Amino acid sequence: LAKTTQPISMDSYEGQEVNITCSHNNIATNDYITWYQQFPSQGPRFIIQGYKTKVTNEVASLFIPADRKSSTLSLPRVSLSDTAVYYCLVGGSGTYKYIFGTGTRLKVLA
Amino acid sequence: EADIYQTPRYLVIGTGKKITLECSQTMGHDKMYWYQQDPGMELHLIHYSYGVNSTEKGDLSSESTVSRIRTEHFPLTLESARPSHTSQYLCASSEGLSYNEQFFGPGTRLTVL
Repeated sequence: LAKTTQPISMDSYEGQEVNITCSHNNIATNDYITWYQQFPSQGPRFIIQGYKTKVTNEVASLFIPADRKSSTLSLPRVSLSDTAVYYCLVGGSGTYKYIFGTGTRLKVLA
Repeated sequence: EADIYQTPRYLVIGTGKKITLECSQTMGHDKMYWYQQDPGMELHLIHYSYGVNSTEKGDLSSESTVSRIRTEHFPLTLESARPSHTSQYLCASSEGLSYNEQFFGPGTRLTVL
């Protein structure tokens, strides 16, 4: 399983763009990169997934460089409600034991 | 909106009691998972299932057991609850390829006195 490393915590202000970078040096060829968001006392919620280059959906963008050894989750114009823990996961077909790790605790300030 | 349910949402029980945490999903997903998470801590996989009659242990050793007799149902049982079992238990499901999106239930917060 590819191990991931993320910052433990980040602070931001409302309206700013937040970028959270995840390192996954041992990513395998068939691995995908997936990000989840978790609010207190709730289960994680899928945000975005990608394999290479850039993926964008209605809530976030995911940037993956050519070597795929890292990825960056970009949250445009965050609000207080984006305060949560963000997890980066790496895995491919046959990976059932996903490791959520400690995630990045994002705090958005007014 | 994901259709995955967990009951009870909260449970306070005495040491030595047998408990079963229920998890059901109506999406027809073949894969289901149980995670354990202490407040502010990591999420740890304790059980998963590929489909009916298939269960495996996760990375975190757990004294709990699971069964998967029906696709939609994945209950977790503790034969004799102890204070060390106090935690939040989250159930999830997914379909198709294993890296596909996991849908999580609301969780059961268990307190063993």
